[in-house]
Amino acid sequence: NAGVTQTPKFRILKIGQSMTLQCTQDMNHNYMYWYRQDPGMGLKLIYYSVGAGITDKGEVPNGYNVSRSTTEDFPLRLELAAPSQTSVYFCASYRGSSGNTIYFGEGSWLTVV
Amino acid sequence: GIQVEQSPPDLILQEGANSTLRCNFSDSVNNLQWFHQNPWGQLINLFYIPSGTKQNGRLSATTVATERYSLLYISSSQTTDSGVYFCAPSGNTGKLIFGQGTTLQVKP
Repeated sequence: NAGVTQTPKFRILKIGQSMTLQCTQDMNHNYMYWYRQDPGMGLKLIYYSVGAGITDKGEVPNGYNVSRSTTEDFPLRLELAAPSQTSVYFCASYRGSSGNTIYFGEGSWLTVV
Repeated sequence: GIQVEQSPPDLILQEGANSTLRCNFSDSVNNLQWFHQNPWGQLINLFYIPSGTKQNGRLSATTVATERYSLLYISSSQTTDSGVYFCAPSGNTGKLIFGQGTTLQVKP
């Protein structure tokens, strides 16, 4: 049981480039989330999904896009990368029922130069 | 959406001391979780506690949903307790917002 898997773990992008952060969970969780964490700060919600085919904006969605075509996968797309998107990105998943734990991926360190 | 406020923002303790961390939230919730982020960045779930009290070893948590706050108690703190503690309440939309965290440093 792999849990929540994020790739890549580290990436350096040039300004204006695009990339996709991959997130996969094998726990059949309905709820999936993408967060960013800037140095010394808390986690800010970018996008979330309550099931396949359903996505919604979080606190800081500008500059990002997501899709949820399957229950397992929730990729985060960065278009036209900017230095302000330098951050650590965390994907998380959750069954959505009472009493269940939220599982986090190990994080993806992204630098835009 | 739900607004979350954690206090204190920073806390320094001597090993063996006790502490209480607070999380205030602005709206009714059906889910509240506490997390610990260790110095290596890993996020560990501590408690799922939308109401009531739970204990796990030296840690315990209490949520008073009607008054919109939750408390995390750390007793007999150890250096391994250092890191950042986050609370994350959510309502029935599934949107999960984190507080800004309490940074705890436990000195030997």
